[in-house]
Amino acid sequence: GAVVSQHPSWVICKSGTSVKIECRSLDFQATTMFWYRQFPKQSLMLMATSNEGSKATYEQGVEKDKFLINHASLTLSTLTVTSAHPEDSSFYICSARKPGQGTEAFFGQGTRLTVV
Amino acid sequence: AQSVAQPEDQVNVAEGNPLTVKCTYSVSGNPYLFWYVQYPNRGLQFLLKYITGDNLVKGSYGFEAEFNKSQTSFHLKKPSALVSDSALYFCAVRALSGTYKYIFGTGTRLKVLA
Repeated sequence: GAVVSQHPSWVICKSGTSVKIECRSLDFQATTMFWYRQFPKQSLMLMATSNEGSKATYEQGVEKDKFLINHASLTLSTLTVTSAHPEDSSFYICSARKPGQGTEAFFGQGTRLTVV
Repeated sequence: AQSVAQPEDQVNVAEGNPLTVKCTYSVSGNPYLFWYVQYPNRGLQFLLKYITGDNLVKGSYGFEAEFNKSQTSFHLKKPSALVSDSALYFCAVRALSGTYKYIFGTGTRLKVLA
């Protein structure tokens, strides 16, 4: 398998502040990572595709200025929730594919964001 | 459009009994199908996948899934359920050939009763 790690596992922030979530591939290089959002008792919704060295590709309806994605290296992608509001509270999960490891994606453990 | 449906929000089964978690799909072209499991406040763990070949796919923790092209189904099964199997299960299809975007079903919560 392959290991994808997210940090932090949980975070509480005040409304109006920004919070950064990191997604790291620990034992492989990932040119592409994916960010998902999961609402309580709901499925995962793809937010954006993070591409190393280039701009992220956002899914329809996702505000790119609010959810800033940076993929500065082959092992790190970050998601920054800017000017957070309580409705941004959710479980955020990243995934990455390990080249040569087949077609399945490897998921991080997720980050629970609570905006108060 | 590609889509995945999990018709059951929750499945209850007694420990030791066989379990089935249902999934149907709609894709154009060859489907790449996956099952993942999620424990509370955790990420997703890969269970198994179907790409091509045998219709019965064996995966982790004793799970298996049967690909049925005519019924466009990919049901997850286990011959004998364990209490520790209780979790949230997601069926997923890879959105487009050549990309790694996943479309997930809504999830099915499995409860195995002792």
